[in-house]
Amino acid sequence: DVKVTQSSRYLVKRTGEKVFLECVQDMDHENMFWYRQDPGLGLRLIYFSYDVKMKEKGDIPEGYSVSREKKERFSLILESASTNQTSMYLCASSSVNRGASGANVLTFGAGSRLTVL
Amino acid sequence: DQQVKQNSPSLSVQEGRISILNCDYTNSMFDYFLWYKKYPAEGPTFLISISSIKDKNEDGRFTVFLNKSAKHLSLHIVPSQPGDSAVYFCAASDLEGTASKLTFGTGTRLQVTL
Repeated sequence: DVKVTQSSRYLVKRTGEKVFLECVQDMDHENMFWYRQDPGLGLRLIYFSYDVKMKEKGDIPEGYSVSREKKERFSLILESASTNQTSMYLCASSSVNRGASGANVLTFGAGSRLTVL
Repeated sequence: DQQVKQNSPSLSVQEGRISILNCDYTNSMFDYFLWYKKYPAEGPTFLISISSIKDKNEDGRFTVFLNKSAKHLSLHIVPSQPGDSAVYFCAASDLEGTASKLTFGTGTRLQVTL
């Protein structure tokens, strides 16, 4: 069964701490994404990557950075966590080959719920 | 600037009846539209998609309709089952840029009652 695995399901951090959220996929996908989900706001794209060492800003990149040193791994970094970064963080991956449907289907991990106190 | 909108935050439907979830978009460059389903404490899972050149796509109990002139799509679930209770997200894909990314709506929580 194909998987996107997020290493931490629940984290509690203090304001100002540096936070690492790790994501690994085993599908040999080229594209990887970080979204955050908040009530009433849906899923918003933070950063994405289409290749190793490549990254692009999404809609809400402020306060975040990312790292993609290996194809299967995409990390989200909060340099100095703030309370407004309390959220559910979702990692996803997709292939450049769209398959029979032609749609760009993202496969998501189970999410990491971060609370910043 | 919300490019994909789901104006109904919640919907309650009786088991066996039809559930209709709606989605509007503003960007005419979107090439595919997708629906995802999300249970609490899980990641979203892909349900069904439709190309912008089609007006209907069906997969079992799920049908998605696209009205390009109105920039509107809807997901029909017939018959609705209690296990369909979840949050449904509409998403749109565009070809611009180096990796096709998805823009999501705000979600509609569907409750299927007995």
